[in-house]
Order: sequence, then structure tokens, then C-alpha cells
Amino acid sequence: GNSVTQMEGPVTLSEEAFLTINCTYTATGYPSLFWYVQYPGEGLQLLLKATKADDKGSNKGFEATYRKETTSFHLEKGSVQVSDSAVYFCALSDLVSGGGADGLTFGKGTHLIIQP
Amino acid sequence: ETGVTQSPTHLIKTRGQQVTLRCSSQSGHNTVSWYQQALGQGPQFIFQYYREEENGRGNFPPRFSGLQFPNYSSELNVNALELDDSALYLCAISQGIEHGYTFGSGTRLTVV
Repeated sequence: GNSVTQMEGPVTLSEEAFLTINCTYTATGYPSLFWYVQYPGEGLQLLLKATKADDKGSNKGFEATYRKETTSFHLEKGSVQVSDSAVYFCALSDLVSGGGADGLTFGKGTHLIIQP
Repeated sequence: ETGVTQSPTHLIKTRGQQVTLRCSSQSGHNTVSWYQQALGQGPQFIFQYYREEENGRGNFPPRFSGLQFPNYSSELNVNALELDDSALYLCAISQGIEHGYTFGSGTRLTVV
């Protein structure tokens, strides 16, 4: 079955530091990959996505590249801000044969804390 | 504003009771899915509806059931509530995998 593994937190950085959150996946087909962000007490917001190998998703200074050879989708940002403090989830979506759906498979989440 | 509205936002139920959670959206979409997120964990897929029919289900027992209506609303029903059902329940809509999923803010269910 499908699975997503991401680095566990909390990850604590100083403002303006470089961020990397690792994510690797296992899938039976050719999944689409996503990063979602969850702020305290809220639902999930789509941060970025990539639907095929070598695609780069980007949004709000965050980037992630779909690497099929290493089955990875690491999240990066060059200079983090205090407002980036949240929980980040890596996820994949893969259509099963026959047209059914497994929905999104999520990692356990990485709690990011940015200190001023 | 995500465009996906869930109600209620918080709910307390007693073990053994039944609960109905609701999800609605103003935008057109053909797919709605529901997720259970336990505290400190990633969301777990419960099931998905495509054009009002269930077309995918995660590892959840039959006491978790749902409906999707023509007006883009959806329900999640849980019978015979157990303490472990306490979680944040999230609804997500989509027009296709390539477009991603838009989530609501969730319903926090506490079973006592």
C-alpha cells in the first residue's frame, strides 16, 4: 500500500534560517504529491503540489521537487519567518486500478517552530 | 476562507451515541472525502464520494458511513461511538487529483 514518511519534529529554527523538511513516499502507481500546512486550531491548507516526476511545486517562498528516482518530495524555504510556524504534512494521492480512490495518504506531520 | 464549511465546529457525545457531521461548499466539485485526524497525527482517509456514490474507503468499520448530495453538501455518520472516535474530522473537496483537495476547518468530536 501507499505510505509517506516525513521527518519528525519539532523542528526549531531561527528567523531567516534555511528550511528543509524531508519527505519520502511509497506508492504502487504514479502518485501526485502535496504539501499541506496546518495552523493551530485550523484545517489543512494546500501549500504546493506536483503531479509528475521532476515537477517543482512552489508557493509563498516554499519549494519541493518530485524526485521519482529517490521517491522524495522534500520541502525547502530559503529564509523562514515567525509566521511560518505551523505543522507541515506531506501527502500523496494515487488512483488505484479500476478507477477507485484511496484518498490522500499523509505523513505524521512536522511541527515547525520559528524563533525571532 | 477555504470555501468549504463544516458544522458543527465542536461536539461532545457520549459513548454509544450516533453523530452526523456536515460539509458544504459553494463551488462545484465532483469529489468529497472525509478524514479523521487524531491529536498529534496526520489525517487518515475514511472514505470518498464521487458523484454521490462511494468510490473509495480507508480502513474504517461500517459504522462510519456517508452521503453526498446533488447540492454539493455531504454528511459523515458515525454509529455506536467509541472513545477512540474522539478526533478532528475533516472534509475535503476536489475537482480531480491534479487540482488537489480543499479542506474545511473540521469538526472537533469528543466522545466521553
